[in-house]
Amino acid sequence: DAGITQSPRHKVTETGTPVTLRCHQTENHRYMYWYRQDPGHGLRLIHYSYGVKDTDKGEVSDGYSVSRSKTEDFLLTLESATSSQTSVYFCAISDVGRSLGGYTFGSGTRLTVV
Amino acid sequence: AQSVTQPDIHITVSEGASLELRCNYSYGATPYLFWYVQSPGQGLQLLLKYFSGDTLVQGIKGFEAEFKRSQSSFNLRKPSVHWSDAAEYFCAVGALDSGNTPLVFGKGTRLSVIA
Repeated sequence: DAGITQSPRHKVTETGTPVTLRCHQTENHRYMYWYRQDPGHGLRLIHYSYGVKDTDKGEVSDGYSVSRSKTEDFLLTLESATSSQTSVYFCAISDVGRSLGGYTFGSGTRLTVV
Repeated sequence: AQSVTQPDIHITVSEGASLELRCNYSYGATPYLFWYVQSPGQGLQLLLKYFSGDTLVQGIKGFEAEFKRSQSSFNLRKPSVHWSDAAEYFCAVGALDSGNTPLVFGKGTRLSVIA
C-alpha cells in the first residue's frame, strides 16, 4: 500500500533466534499497529503505538516487543522466535484517534520459524 | 469488550449471483464499523465504513452494507458478484466513544466464486 512498507516480505528463521520486523510509513500518521494473521483466527492485535515512544499491548503480546523511536518506524521484535510465531504479520497505520478513517495496511511479512 | 462475529467461514457463490456476508458486533457504546477485503497474498483494503447517519453505506467495487442497530449487524452485500471478488472479507468494529482503543476484527469470511 502506498505510504506504508513492511520489511522483509519473507523470512525464514530458526527457533530461538531474535527477529525484527520493520514497518515504515511516509504518511506521518500518529497510530501504528502490528497484527498477526493465522488461519481460523483472523487478525489478532500484537502491539500498537499512539505516538513516539508510546506503545501498548494487544491481545497476543507475549513473546513480542515493539519500539517506536520515530514517527515513521514501528519495529516488532521476537526476542526468541518459536514455531508458534510462524505467521503473516501485518502493520497498519491510522491518522486520528478512534481510527475514524480506518486503517491502511501494509502488504505483510510472512515469517516461518523452523 | 468489543467483539465481532462473522458466522460464515467460507461461502461459495456463482458469478452473477447476489452476495450477502454477515457480521454481528457486540459493543455497548456507539460503534463504528468497517468492511475490509484481502486478496490472496495482499494486505487488507478498506471497502466501506459506517459512523452515523444513513444506515445504508456504499463502498468501492459495487459493495454496500447496512447497519441495523436492533440486530447488532452490519452485513455486506453485492447484487452481482464477479470472479474478481473472490477474496477474504473482514468486518471490524471500533468504539466511537473511546480513545485509543484499536479496531477489533472478525475472523473473516472466505468468498469463492464459481462460473
